[in-house]
Amino acid sequence: AQSVSQHNHHVILSEAASLELGCNYSYGGTVNLFWYVQYPGQHLQLLLKYFSGDPLVKGIKGFEAEFIKSKFSFNLRKPSVQWSDTAEYFCAVMNTGFQKLVFGTGTRLLVSP
Amino acid sequence: ETGVTQTPRHLVMGMTNKKSLKCEQHLGHNAMYWYKQSAKKPLELMFVYNFKEQTENNSVPSRFSPECPNSSHLFLHLHTLQPEDSALYLCASSQTGTTIRYGYTFGSGTRLTVV
Repeated sequence: AQSVSQHNHHVILSEAASLELGCNYSYGGTVNLFWYVQYPGQHLQLLLKYFSGDPLVKGIKGFEAEFIKSKFSFNLRKPSVQWSDTAEYFCAVMNTGFQKLVFGTGTRLLVSP
Repeated sequence: ETGVTQTPRHLVMGMTNKKSLKCEQHLGHNAMYWYKQSAKKPLELMFVYNFKEQTENNSVPSRFSPECPNSSHLFLHLHTLQPEDSALYLCASSQTGTTIRYGYTFGSGTRLTVV
């Protein structure tokens, strides 16, 4: 069975600090990878995704993630965070044979002004 | 708005009550999903419907009963719930064939409190 691990449950940063959130998955086959963000009181929305091709993918609001197949990782990065990035971030994996999204536990990010 | 609308936004119910959650999608998708979001736990996939047919039930207790009358509507009927069922219930939709490219579109959820 697939599983997703997000090792950081809570992260606190000051504005302008760099961000990296870890995500590792367990599945031996071909996968598609996603990062979703949930701002306070809002719905889950897609931040970025990896489908194929360049393992470095860029998403909305200056976020990017790198797929490292050998490490089963898909870490999320942003060079300089803003207060408005305060939210919960979820990594998710879907194998190409099914359409079921499996999520990690989420990382709650708090950016202080 | 995401194109996936869930009602009600908040629901408080007693353990002996019967209530229903509603989800409607305006995206022309043909697959719909129920997820449960509890604190400190991964989002748990509960049910999957493709073209109105249930294709997955992840060992969900029978006190949760889904219904999908058409590809645009999904219900979750609740009865004799337990306090540990209190959570945010999320509905999502996708288009078969493009799901692996685009993922799901989520609604805002129903915050359920069982007292």
